[in-house]
Parts: sequence; C-alpha cells; structure tokens
Amino acid sequence: AQSVTQLDSQVPVFEEAPVELRCNYSSSVSVYLFWYVQYPNQGLQLLLKYLSGSTLVKGINGFEAEFNKSQTSFHLRKPSVHISDTAEYFCAVNGGSQGNLIFGKGTKLSVKP
Amino acid sequence: GAGVSQSPSNKVTEKGKDVELRCDPISGHTALYWYRQSLGQGLEFLIYFQGNSAPDKSGLPSDRFSAERTGGSVSTLTIQRTQQEDSAVYLCASSPQGAAKNIQYFGAGTRLSVL
Repeated sequence: AQSVTQLDSQVPVFEEAPVELRCNYSSSVSVYLFWYVQYPNQGLQLLLKYLSGSTLVKGINGFEAEFNKSQTSFHLRKPSVHISDTAEYFCAVNGGSQGNLIFGKGTKLSVKP
Repeated sequence: GAGVSQSPSNKVTEKGKDVELRCDPISGHTALYWYRQSLGQGLEFLIYFQGNSAPDKSGLPSDRFSAERTGGSVSTLTIQRTQQEDSAVYLCASSPQGAAKNIQYFGAGTRLSVL
C-alpha cells in the first residue's frame, strides 16, 4: 500500500527566511504527487503537482518542489516566506485504488515576524 | 466559476441523532470524493463516485455511514446514530474525471461536532 510521510509536524520560521517542508512517499509504481495548503477553517488548495517531466515543479505563491525518485521524496521549498504563508501543508500521492488521494499527516508552518 | 460547495459549514448534534452533509461539486465534474479530517487520523478517504455510482464503499468507517449522488451532481453523506468519534471535518472534492492525474478541488468542509 502507498503511504506518505511528512517528517515535521510543525515548522516555525522567521519572515523572509527560506523554508523546506519534507515529504517522502512509498510506492512500487509510478506516482502523481501533490502539495495542498489549508488555511484555518478552509478547505485544501492545490499548491503544485508533479505528474511527469521536469522534476522541479513550480507552484503558486512562490513555492516549488523537487521530485526525487531515487530518494522517494517530494520536498516543498520557498526561498523567502511571508506571514501569510502560515498554514498547514499536506503532501499527497494519488495512488488510491479509486484514484483517491493518500495524504501525509500535515506540517504546520508558522511564520513569525 | 463556482467552486465546490458544502453545507452546512458547521453542524452540532447530539449523540444518537442522524445528520446529512451535502456537497455540490463543480459543474461538469464527474468524479466526487468524500474525505474525513480528524485530529487523530489525519485525512482519510471515505468514498468515491464516478457519476452516480460508487463502485467501492469499503472506505466508509462503519455501516452507520452511507452516501449517495443523484443526477451526477449533488452528493449527500449521511451518518446515522452519530457517535462522538464521528466528530471531524468532512471534506468533499470533485474532479473532471476519476483519473489519477486529475486535480481534486476541495470544498471548505463541514465541521461536525457530536456532543
């Protein structure tokens, strides 16, 4: 069965600092990978996705992620964070038997002034 | 255009009561998914509809849970005889098709509190 591991449950960072949120997946087949963001009391919003092709994927709000097949990782990065990036971030693989997403436990990013 | 709409946004109920949660997907999206988000379990997949059909209901937590979709559009998730462990945020997502590479668009969820 496929699974997703987000190694950090909470990441505090100062404004304008770089950040990396880590995600590892386990799968024996080709995967499609996603990062979603959830602001308080809201649903999930897609940040970016990897389907195929270039392993460096750029998304909204200045985020990017790199697919690394050998390390089975899909880490999310941003070179300079803003207060407004404070949210919970979920890594997901679309590998469920019904095309459903399998999510990691989430990482809460807290950006401090 | 309009996104995925869920109602109610919040629902407080007493243990043992039945509740209905509604999801109105993006127009034209044939695939619809229900997930549950709770503190202890994270985000769990519940059920998938392609059109009006749900080929596999094994993701539903118990036989108190049921779901239907009519007209290839609106879906309702019903929980009978609610228990405190049913307290969670129930999220609905829709997608143009059920293909794995398609993006799933999420609603804001229904926060269910069972007292």
